[in-house]
Amino acid sequence: NAGVMQNPRHLVRRRGQEARLRCSPMKGHSHVYWYRQLPEEGLKFMVYLQKENIIDESGMPKERFSAEFPKEGPSILRIQQVVRGDSAAYFCASSRDGPGYTFGSGTRLTVV
Amino acid sequence: EDQVTQSPEALRLQEGESSSLNCSYTVSGLRGLFWYRQDPGKGPEFLFTLYSAGEEKEKERLKATLTKKESFLHITAPKPEDSATYLCAVQVTGGGNKLTFGTGTQLKVEL
Repeated sequence: NAGVMQNPRHLVRRRGQEARLRCSPMKGHSHVYWYRQLPEEGLKFMVYLQKENIIDESGMPKERFSAEFPKEGPSILRIQQVVRGDSAAYFCASSRDGPGYTFGSGTRLTVV
Repeated sequence: EDQVTQSPEALRLQEGESSSLNCSYTVSGLRGLFWYRQDPGKGPEFLFTLYSAGEEKEKERLKATLTKKESFLHITAPKPEDSATYLCAVQVTGGGNKLTFGTGTQLKVEL
């Protein structure tokens, strides 16, 4: 039973480019969460999605960031026009219902 | 604003030397308190959920306890493989499934 799959593991983007991070939840899990972890900081909630719906996006920056979880396929976190401050580890988690999350191994985004 | 504070930031133990990690929280209403373990370069791994004051959960050398203001993660006779960062998080009333995390305690267990 595969866990939460995130890809790519590492992503390097130049300032101004777009970054697309993918997350496939565990089998049977319909809730997906995205968190960001900056060096020396804790995990910060970004967005909570169910299939085709954004449930809570209170942690998403208002500009440049978007997330989706389509009916078919993985959840995507999209960052447009990346800046150096977007460099971080982005973790996806999934759950069957409540917040007993299973996390993926993360995508480490570096903006150069 | 909901706050989670973990202490100490870092802890170095000798193998077999028991200790406790602290997680204090200030929230409007607690629905659940979660402990995770995170190894370098990996995602957090779920350990325990506690829901009410007085509750305790155990797994191998780890025991988590909860009061109305804080939680402790007790590590009994630790081994080098227990070295990791331990994260505490809270789910609050009205916050849905969102978790608010502390910054973690980095534990190093030496031979």
